[in-house]
Amino acid sequence: QVQLQQWGAGLLKPSETLSLTCAVYGGSFSGYYWSWIRQPPGKGLEWIAEINHSGSANYNPSLKSRVTISVDTSKKQFSLKLSSVTAADTAVYYCAKVHWGSNVLYYYYHMDVWGRGTTVTVSS
Amino acid sequence: QSVLTQPPSVSAAPGQKVTISCSGDSSNIGNNYVSWYQQLPGTAPKLLIYENNKRPSGIPDRFSGSKSGTSATLGITGLQTGDEADYYCGTWDGSLSAGGVFGGGTKLTVL
Repeated sequence: QVQLQQWGAGLLKPSETLSLTCAVYGGSFSGYYWSWIRQPPGKGLEWIAEINHSGSANYNPSLKSRVTISVDTSKKQFSLKLSSVTAADTAVYYCAKVHWGSNVLYYYYHMDVWGRGTTVTVSS
Repeated sequence: QSVLTQPPSVSAAPGQKVTISCSGDSSNIGNNYVSWYQQLPGTAPKLLIYENNKRPSGIPDRFSGSKSGTSATLGITGLQTGDEADYYCGTWDGSLSAGGVFGGGTKLTVL
């Protein structure tokens, strides 16, 4: 049974860089994508980015210029960096395990394991 | 503004049935499988339904999913007070802005 444990700084000042890491315990690290999703206070989920064990990554176009996602397969960890943060980046950030692939007809894409979330507040 | 459209809220009495809709277009729901997530207050989202209508181990059969064209529906029967939560649909969007997408979420109130 895969479990995700995430950590990182919870209070940032505007213009600083958000840095979060998620460790994968149990199960396989390869064969899946590993994603970051955030949820501003009182709002819905926003997909940020994802990466697989070989470093192939996809990014939300609205955040791509500020986001770096990386993977360390030796430690079974993946990380998120978001630069030049503002108050609009205040949110709970989740890491998640992604099943992504296709059959003859469609792509399947779902997150079956989630981290507990890290609250990140940007304030001067 | 979310890529997928859900009603902000739905409500029903205990024991009743409720459905939650999720609308998209051909770049997302129309050509990909849909998943549904339940988020209880103060907790991380939990996968309820994947590939339109499959339930992960441990999810009761009171929860069901379906898809038709560019829309999907989550159904919950035998409502319980513990079902009161936010529900999100999600899928892959294969447009130029390719990536994971979610609906805006639906707050279920069990009266």
